[in-house]
Amino acid sequence: DVKVTQSSRYLVKRTGEKVFLECVQDMDHENMFWYRQDPGLGLRLIYFSYDVKMKEKGDIPEGYSVSREKKERFSLILESASTNQTSMYLCASSNRQWYQETQYFGPGTRLLVL
Amino acid sequence: GQQVMQIPQYQHVQEGEDFTTYCNSSTTLSNIQWYKQRPGGHPVFLIQLVKSGEVKKQKRLTFQFGEAKKNSSLHITATQTTDVGTYFCAGPFQGAQKLVFGQGTRLTINP
Repeated sequence: DVKVTQSSRYLVKRTGEKVFLECVQDMDHENMFWYRQDPGLGLRLIYFSYDVKMKEKGDIPEGYSVSREKKERFSLILESASTNQTSMYLCASSNRQWYQETQYFGPGTRLLVL
Repeated sequence: GQQVMQIPQYQHVQEGEDFTTYCNSSTTLSNIQWYKQRPGGHPVFLIQLVKSGEVKKQKRLTFQFGEAKKNSSLHITATQTTDVGTYFCAGPFQGAQKLVFGQGTRLTINP
């Protein structure tokens, strides 16, 4: 069974804080993704990575950065959290042939920025 | 950019009624995937359609891929309370290794 874990289910931070969201997958997947989910807006891609140390911007990368130092781990960083980054953050992974493989999602981190 | 539109955004039905959600892409898709997210949960893969005009069934769920590979639908026959959740379609963005998700259809059911 593919397992994608995220470091926290719930997180409360203050405006201006640096926030790290960690994601780990145990299936040796090449591709990893970070999404945010907001009511009525579906899943919006923030960043993705198709290899170690590789990263690509998604649709809404502003205010975020990522790090992929190891294949199994993909981190999302909010350099200076703002209230409009309050959201549900979902990590996902997939095999290299992503278009023929499913994306496996982690349980999500619900972030509240005060 | 590529867009995947999904309607309706919300649907409330009585248990036992049928339910359908529709997905339309601005471009031709090589495949389309469907995911289900239970309340408080995360999206879980349901199925992938690849061929033009393809129809696949999973028990009471019927998935269709349009002839032009630009639209898809998910139909649930005789809904049950276990069907509650948000259903997303997703298609690959040409030339990039990512999926574009529809906004999702949230299904609620009156028992």
